[in-house]
Amino acid sequence: DAGVTQSPTHLIKTRGQQVTLRCSPKSGHDTVSWYQQALGQGPQFIFQYYEEEERQRGNFPDRFSGHQFPNYSSELNVNALLLGDSALYLCASSLVVVQMGNTEAFFGQGTRLTVV
Amino acid sequence: AQSVTQLDSQVPVFEEAPVELRCNYSSSVSVYLFWYVQYPNQGLQLLLKYLSGSTLVESINGFEAEFNKSQTSFHLRKPSVHISDTAEYFCAVSLIQGAQKLVFGQGTRLTINP
Repeated sequence: DAGVTQSPTHLIKTRGQQVTLRCSPKSGHDTVSWYQQALGQGPQFIFQYYEEEERQRGNFPDRFSGHQFPNYSSELNVNALLLGDSALYLCASSLVVVQMGNTEAFFGQGTRLTVV
Repeated sequence: AQSVTQLDSQVPVFEEAPVELRCNYSSSVSVYLFWYVQYPNQGLQLLLKYLSGSTLVESINGFEAEFNKSQTSFHLRKPSVHISDTAEYFCAVSLIQGAQKLVFGQGTRLTINP
């Protein structure tokens, strides 16, 4: 059973460009969340997708957008890249539950984005 | 809103010594509590979690954490560490109901010296 997979693993972009990162959730999971982890920091929540809609959003500008496809995979798009967008971008998948339990989020290996 | 504070950014210890990584959280509502571990150049792996029940939770590799509601803490401990435990450790919380957004602390870098 493949876990959460992200592509690409590394990416170098120039300031002002646009980038798309991809994520395939763990088999059976229906919810995808994206996090930004700057060097030496804890991950920061960007947004979460469920049923192809953005359900929650963290404190990130509109330059950050996403999409979820019918097969539950997801994309993170960042427009007008800034040097400060350089970070490890983590995707996490989970299962929406209405009862307590099974709330574990599984993380991918991340995409290391460097903006120069 | 929830917040997590990890009181130590770095913790160096000798191999086979005990270790405690401290975590305090703030929330006006009940939360789930987690410890994640991140090895170099890798994503996050769940180490252990507290959802309900016994306040002492254990992982398969010897770590344990105790939920203390009155002190709003969830400290991570291990009685004897190994070189392989060298990693970054993150404490996190999430709401019990609603979306499962995780709020992370800044992380604690655990370095094991031989």
